[in-house]
Amino acid sequence: DQQVKQNSPSLSVQEGRISILNCDYTNSMFDYFLWYKKYPAEGPTFLISISSIKDKNEDGRFTVFLNKSAKHLSLHIVPSQPGDSAVYFCAASDNAGGTSYGKLTFGQGTILTVHP
Amino acid sequence: DSGVTQTPKHLITATGQRVTLRCSPRSGDLSVYWYQQSLDQGLQFLIQYYNGEERAKGNILERFSAQQFPDLHSELNLSSLELGDSALYFCASSVGGTVGHHLYFGPGTRLTVT
Repeated sequence: DQQVKQNSPSLSVQEGRISILNCDYTNSMFDYFLWYKKYPAEGPTFLISISSIKDKNEDGRFTVFLNKSAKHLSLHIVPSQPGDSAVYFCAASDNAGGTSYGKLTFGQGTILTVHP
Repeated sequence: DSGVTQTPKHLITATGQRVTLRCSPRSGDLSVYWYQQSLDQGLQFLIQYYNGEERAKGNILERFSAQQFPDLHSELNLSSLELGDSALYFCASSVGGTVGHHLYFGPGTRLTVT
């Protein structure tokens, strides 16, 4: 049972344009959502997060949107840069208020390629 | 560099064998997490330790076990290995175990079972 799904295995965009990565979830108990970025031969690195009490969180070029009714979140990168090329993982926690929030459920990842 | 170290980087072994993966968390971090990433899969949570005690368990097989030592480093033991255990194993750490304490991942150990 895939509780967090990233239905697009890959996305290709031009430098300077917007990248939109999507993620859907099924578990209504999830209350905290995160995006991680992963380069080859490295571990995932935290990018941005959002609590279920918000619908938007912005950090520089990165914005995450949460639509709880649709159980959908998206990551917008504007403008996209070649250095953003990586695998992006969506993750969710159902224990944000507890001591095991790090028990994250990850999506399968989306490979983003930004062309110069 | 996340500050989380994992050894070894690569491990090739045969079916039926036992291996130990090691993780040193970032300085000051009390929580250690183990995740498994199989081919074309997202990361699967295995287990969490907080200051030496098991805190949460995920889809960890009975053939797998882990522990966190007094110096806070952790080891993941995989026994009676099967071909399907071939995967990337990531260790992550955080200051605590609650939201706001983001996970810092190590570079992973790639295990190949032949």
